[in-house]
Amino acid sequence: GAGVSQSPSNKVTEKGKDVELRCDPISGHTALYWYRQSLGQGLEFLIYFQGNSAPDKSGLPSDRFSAERTGGSVSTLTIQRTQQEDSAVYLCASSLDEGQGYEQYFGPGTRLTVT
Amino acid sequence: GQSLEQPSEVTAVEGAIVQINCTYQTSGFYGLSWYQQHDGGAPTFLSYNALDGLEETGRFSSFLSRSDSYGYLLLQELQMKDSASYFCAVRAAGGKLIFGQGTELSVKP
Repeated sequence: GAGVSQSPSNKVTEKGKDVELRCDPISGHTALYWYRQSLGQGLEFLIYFQGNSAPDKSGLPSDRFSAERTGGSVSTLTIQRTQQEDSAVYLCASSLDEGQGYEQYFGPGTRLTVT
Repeated sequence: GQSLEQPSEVTAVEGAIVQINCTYQTSGFYGLSWYQQHDGGAPTFLSYNALDGLEETGRFSSFLSRSDSYGYLLLQELQMKDSASYFCAVRAAGGKLIFGQGTELSVKP
């Protein structure tokens, strides 16, 4: 079937505005992960879901960041009152379940620019 | 804390063999994954080691020594298309991955 999709592909926003990033995982994948990647850097773990539950939110950088997943499928990452340091590529990935988390399938990412 | 160390850059010529090392220090360890990422692209899964030893997948092999907290990715018969960034990632509890900073591989003709 289709791979992981993310929208929008690019988002430019003004400092202080809220943004929502969307992720559609591979159909049937119960585990979903959010990462962010700054230019030339590794991937920074943010949060993961198993079904609709988020067992690990330890990577969320501040309380301005939140995420939810509904129906065991689509997930939304929300950043409130964006700051310039939030500028990065936000990547979503899914795996068959958390036990198969070593093999994650990534979406193309959302490039967020905060001006 | 959790940290992974890998070289920032490696250069090799077409047809050669290159090894990318990764050492890790993590509070929980279930295995080591490797991912490839081309410029502007999404990371793609290459291999995974949960146990000590060598795993071979075509031109790519991956090795793990849990006692040494060390692993490597071996790329053989290098091709120009192998130019990319390579990330090692520790699988921690719950399936989340902790990524290294990546090694940029440049393959020269």
